[in-house]
Amino acid sequence: NAGVTQTPKFQVLKTGQSMTLQCAQDMNHEYMSWYRQDPGMGLRLIHYSVGAGITDQGEVPNGYNVSRSTTEDFPLRLLSAAPSQTSVYFCASSANLAKNIQYFGAGTRLSVL
Amino acid sequence: QQQVKQSPQSLIVQKGGISIINCAYENTAFDYFPWYQQFPGKGPALLIAIRPDVSEKKEGRFTISFNKSAKQFSLHIMDSQPGDSATYFCAGTSGSRLTFGEGTQLTVNP
Repeated sequence: NAGVTQTPKFQVLKTGQSMTLQCAQDMNHEYMSWYRQDPGMGLRLIHYSVGAGITDQGEVPNGYNVSRSTTEDFPLRLLSAAPSQTSVYFCASSANLAKNIQYFGAGTRLSVL
Repeated sequence: QQQVKQSPQSLIVQKGGISIINCAYENTAFDYFPWYQQFPGKGPALLIAIRPDVSEKKEGRFTISFNKSAKQFSLHIMDSQPGDSATYFCAGTSGSRLTFGEGTQLTVNP
């Protein structure tokens, strides 16, 4: 009964470091997405994928890369971390684009010093 | 530019009272309007949703009212309980993209 699993739960980086946030889902969902949550700004879409091999940019894509080699996994890469990327990151998946009911992971809290 | 505006930012209600959260949207291409509930340390979870051809949807104590001409919709929580204390997000969907409002932190006092 895993659903959407995100790792790690917490991470501290120094400015300029790179890292990958992992996201995996076991529901065979085609649609996956990454959001960042900042106080007073809701959740903002970073990147999304409508299926393996297909990705697209969301509202705030700069500084992030994604790839979708399998249906299950959708990692988010920070190429050179900046303090502005300090946030809580959520991965979500959805089976039905018409309803777009998204299932969220528990989040990764990232601090960039 | 926030396409979905949500108010209030925070809300305190007494147990048994009615909680009302309002949202306004700009994008007329939105075709589905969900509300998500988020508890501290957790990811958001779908609470209730409505399509724009329906003016009201009720599920238990939770009701969405939708006004298409005004491009506004609201969440009403009847008989609010301390367990309802959480952050609530309204959203609009267009195709494969989901746009969230800023969120409302609801506190229900015992």
